[in-house]
Amino acid sequence: EAGVVQSPRYKIIEKKQPVAFWCNPISGHNTLYWYLQNLGQGPELLIRYENEEAVDDSQLPKDRFSAERLKGVDSTLKIQPAELGDSAVYLCASSSGTSGGPGYNEQFFGPGTRLTVL
Amino acid sequence: AQKVTQAQTEISVVEKEDVTLDCVYETRDTTYYLFWYKQPPSGELVFLIRRNSFDEQNEISGRYSWNFQKSTSSFNFTITASQVVDSAVYFCALSEFVGAGGTSYGKLTFGQGTILTVHP
Repeated sequence: EAGVVQSPRYKIIEKKQPVAFWCNPISGHNTLYWYLQNLGQGPELLIRYENEEAVDDSQLPKDRFSAERLKGVDSTLKIQPAELGDSAVYLCASSSGTSGGPGYNEQFFGPGTRLTVL
Repeated sequence: AQKVTQAQTEISVVEKEDVTLDCVYETRDTTYYLFWYKQPPSGELVFLIRRNSFDEQNEISGRYSWNFQKSTSSFNFTITASQVVDSAVYFCALSEFVGAGGTSYGKLTFGQGTILTVHP
């Protein structure tokens, strides 16, 4: 079974430029997450989707960040314009839903996209 | 709000030593789940174990064991006879059943992580 796929793996841009990250979750997983991981820190949730609906985007800085999951499968996270402080690893994860109750199902993570803003 | 604290930033051991990674959590929910994830140098977090708040039985899986104590809000992870391949960053995480406002269920709150280095 293929894991969570993310691209690109690395991205270097200059500040004020736009950038987009793509994620394809494990087949059949209806829940998709985007996390931000700063160096030396644990991941922090940016947004969670149940199918195509964003059910928790309270941590997403909406002035410059946006995300979409149009057909309930793959997803794109965008930053426009990027700032120096956005340099981090952006992780995508998926889980198989809430069959075990909310919060129960383990999340499967992709390798992440390491963003460097110069 | 939920919080996870991993007080040990870095641990260095020699191969075959036993090592325990500490995790302390805070939550107001009575139903919650605790997880441990491993992040090797490749960057991909790997799920190790899940525990629900009603199951305080300790668990052993090969060289790994977990000690969950609700009385001290701790969920510690022990690696017995450590190996070089165990070198990674280990994260403890908490997921609430309901969460604040009813919308944060399923949200994993991670600790800061513990960098484990096992020397040959």
